Amino acid sequence: DTGVSQNPRHKITKRGQNVTFRCDPISEHNRLYWYRQTLGQGPEFLTYFQNEAQLEKSRLLSDRFSAERPKGSFSTLEIQRTEQGDSAMYLCASSLSQTNSPLHFGNGTRLTVT
Amino acid sequence: QKEVEQNSGPLSVPEGAIASLNCTYSDRGSQSFFWYRQYSGKSPELIMSIYSNGDKEDGRFTAQLNKASQYVSLLIRDSQPSDSATYLCAAATRGDYKLSFGAGTTVTVRA
Repeated sequence: DTGVSQNPRHKITKRGQNVTFRCDPISEHNRLYWYRQTLGQGPEFLTYFQNEAQLEKSRLLSDRFSAERPKGSFSTLEIQRTEQGDSAMYLCASSLSQTNSPLHFGNGTRLTVT
Repeated sequence: QKEVEQNSGPLSVPEGAIASLNCTYSDRGSQSFFWYRQYSGKSPELIMSIYSNGDKEDGRFTAQLNKASQYVSLLIRDSQPSDSATYLCAAATRGDYKLSFGAGTTVTVRA
């Protein structure tokens, strides 16, 4: 079990640029989640996948955000036309699909939009 | 109203004391509850899960669940400076696998 891996760890970008983050889940986990966390707040749900299918997106997720999980393995989260309000820690988590399975988080990607 | 509410703290306790953290949730359909520990600048780390009413103990940690009162708590016995962190309470609703998190309670253990 190598854990959930996220890249890059840090990303600084200028407003208006596009950014893409990658997440590699624990290999036997078929559920994958993206969360966003800002200072002093708990993680906020963005979207999740069961294998390659994106089953739910938060209503808070603007259409500038898109996530994919081709072949049900790694996932990417892209933010287009970044805004300063997008600055946050983006957390990926994975879990088994059984009831009550806990989420295991990666180390996150910290995005700073200048 | 947020789905999961926690006292934001900070909670300061002396080394060796018991730290008590509280969490309430609004969705009566919630069935799974988790406590995560998050050190500054790091990702959340699972420390406890609880699904049934009552107490669940794991080492120095005890989670308590009261579904009638929609209340979850975490006790940390013999607190150590290494327990200084933010503790996040999370809940999952039956049939829904995503977790809803509270804002976290920051604990500082004084040596």
